Amino acid sequence: GQNIDQPTEMTATEGAIVQINCTYQTSGFNGLFWYQQHAGEAPTFLSYNVLDGLEEKGRFSSFLSRSKGYSYLLLKELQMKDSASYLCAVREGGATNKLIFGTGTLLAVQP
Amino acid sequence: GAVVSQHPSRVICKSGTSVKIECRSLDFQATTMFWYRQFPKQSLMLMATSNEGSKATYEQGVEKDKFLINHASLTLSTLTVTSAHPEDSSFYICSAPTLAYNEQFFGPGTRLTVL
Repeated sequence: GQNIDQPTEMTATEGAIVQINCTYQTSGFNGLFWYQQHAGEAPTFLSYNVLDGLEEKGRFSSFLSRSKGYSYLLLKELQMKDSASYLCAVREGGATNKLIFGTGTLLAVQP
Repeated sequence: GAVVSQHPSRVICKSGTSVKIECRSLDFQATTMFWYRQFPKQSLMLMATSNEGSKATYEQGVEKDKFLINHASLTLSTLTVTSAHPEDSSFYICSAPTLAYNEQFFGPGTRLTVL
């Protein structure tokens, strides 16, 4: 079956670094996405990994290990506006290419 | 970047009525669009895959007769919630992938409240 797990909630301090983990077991794999979602809004794209390794984009980095079924999103120099839900999603590939979303991690950044 | 719009952004209806939600890709063609539902404090649940010119593919547990999907053109997909009930109240979001499927653009979502 499909299983994508993330911690439910995390708390971090403004200016610090936080790592949000995602583990997955899916029937297919053709890439992993990270999205940010503020309450009541649609998700916004943060990163995409299809090969193993680290992708860096400004304050945000995402890592993927396909053999371990594991990814993390790293947020540096945290700002208050980074308080949001962070969603990990796996693209199944094949004929469907649909995204299967993880449970989401609600991050609270405190002063 | 690519933009996906949804209309309406918010709708309140009486139990038993039908509600249509539109999803449009504004500056690119989308042969496939996805419809999601999100309950409060939960993640996105894929409901169905909308395919231009053919029938939608529904996820397990989603009633195709209740959630009618039509993908009439390369830029428009519609979701109709038929005979809505209070338990259908949710946040409905559509998305459209790029041709390479390495990015999906989400619409702003539709908040449905059924009284």
